Amino acid sequence: ILNVEQSPQSLHVQEGDSTNFTCSFPSSNFYALHWYRWETAKSPEALFVMTLNGDEKKKGRISATLNTKEGYSYLYIKGSQPEDSATYLCAFINPNAGNMLTFGGGTRLMVKP
Amino acid sequence: NAGVTQTPKFQVLKTGQSMTLQCAQDMNHEYMSWYRQDPGMGLRLIHYSVGAGITDQGEVPNGYNVSRSTTEDFPLRLLSAAPSQTSVYFCASSYSHTLTGDTEAFFGQGTRLTVV
Repeated sequence: ILNVEQSPQSLHVQEGDSTNFTCSFPSSNFYALHWYRWETAKSPEALFVMTLNGDEKKKGRISATLNTKEGYSYLYIKGSQPEDSATYLCAFINPNAGNMLTFGGGTRLMVKP
Repeated sequence: NAGVTQTPKFQVLKTGQSMTLQCAQDMNHEYMSWYRQDPGMGLRLIHYSVGAGITDQGEVPNGYNVSRSTTEDFPLRLLSAAPSQTSVYFCASSYSHTLTGDTEAFFGQGTRLTVV
């Protein structure tokens, strides 16, 4: 069974704090690693799709890095805002599941004003 | 361009009833899938399809049935609802994850299903 692990499960930070969370995934047969942002009562939306070892992607205050050799990715949020409150999901392309996405349990971020 | 349309948004069923969750996409995506989301757990794959006429089981397929007669539609059938199927269900679609570069998945609005 190929699994994705995310940590921490939840995180409370103050507005303005910078934060980061971890996604661990199997490093063999790697195609891509996805990050999604999921707000309550909405659908998950893609933040990043990362395919290259050492890749770093950025969207505004959010960035992500990728290490395919050791099987981890970090998501960073600089200067957290209340609107960043959401669950952040990572997923890898699972060759044991028809190359569909297998998701981690998510990190729930709550940013207090 | 509507994206992924999933209906209904909410549903309450009695144990033993059957129902179909509808999913349609207008992006000509080959890949379509159904996930369920339960408290404390991530999205778990129920069934998936890599093209019209092709379906396969995911991680938690028991109690569910799918078909893919067209590229656009991928309905999920609950054959005989059980309380353990109380969950939030998401349909997703994408281009092939392995043949094309940045192939993000697009999700429907979700269906909150309660089985009593």
